[in-house]
Amino acid sequence: NAGVMQNPRHLVRRRGQEARLRCSPMKGHSHVYWYRQLPEEGLKFMVYLQKENIIDESGMPKERFSAEFPKEGPSILRIQQVVRGDSAAYFCASSPKKETQYFGPGTRLLVL
Amino acid sequence: KQEVTQIPAALSVPEGENLVLNCSFTDSAIYNLQWFRQDPGKGLTSLLLIQSSQREQTSGRLNASLDKSSGRSTLYIAASQPGDSATYLCASETGANNLFFGTGTRLTVIP
Repeated sequence: NAGVMQNPRHLVRRRGQEARLRCSPMKGHSHVYWYRQLPEEGLKFMVYLQKENIIDESGMPKERFSAEFPKEGPSILRIQQVVRGDSAAYFCASSPKKETQYFGPGTRLLVL
Repeated sequence: KQEVTQIPAALSVPEGENLVLNCSFTDSAIYNLQWFRQDPGKGLTSLLLIQSSQREQTSGRLNASLDKSSGRSTLYIAASQPGDSATYLCASETGANNLFFGTGTRLTVIP
């Protein structure tokens, strides 16, 4: 059983471009969580999704950020019109129910 | 809102020494407290999870304790090794749908 997979592992974008981060949960896991780790800061919750539903997006910035977890395929975290302050490591976690979360290796986004 | 603090921010010890990492949290109504390890440029590896009804958990050279009433948890590492060098994160889960993380303690074990 492969762990949580995230791709790309590293992503470079110029200001104003779009960033798409993908997360494939562990097999059998229907709960996905996204966290952001800014340089020299702790991980901060962004959004919690179940299949086709956003359950809690209280940590998502109000603009430019969106997330989805379709019936088929990976969860996507989308950042439109990226700015330098979006540079961070973005981690995805999954769980079979609302219990222990298993983390992926993260996507490191660099905005030039 | 839950606030999680970890002290110290960085720690260097000689190989073989026993050490304690500290974690404090403001909201004692937690479901569990978890310790993670993060290596540079890597993801998080779960080390120990303590349910709110438990006082401690042990795995090999690691022992984590939980005192909900005082809002504290400690991670004890016995006989430290250079391979233990990493950032250690604690995280609490409350009734919200997510984990609240501390900023971590960066541990360096000197051979």
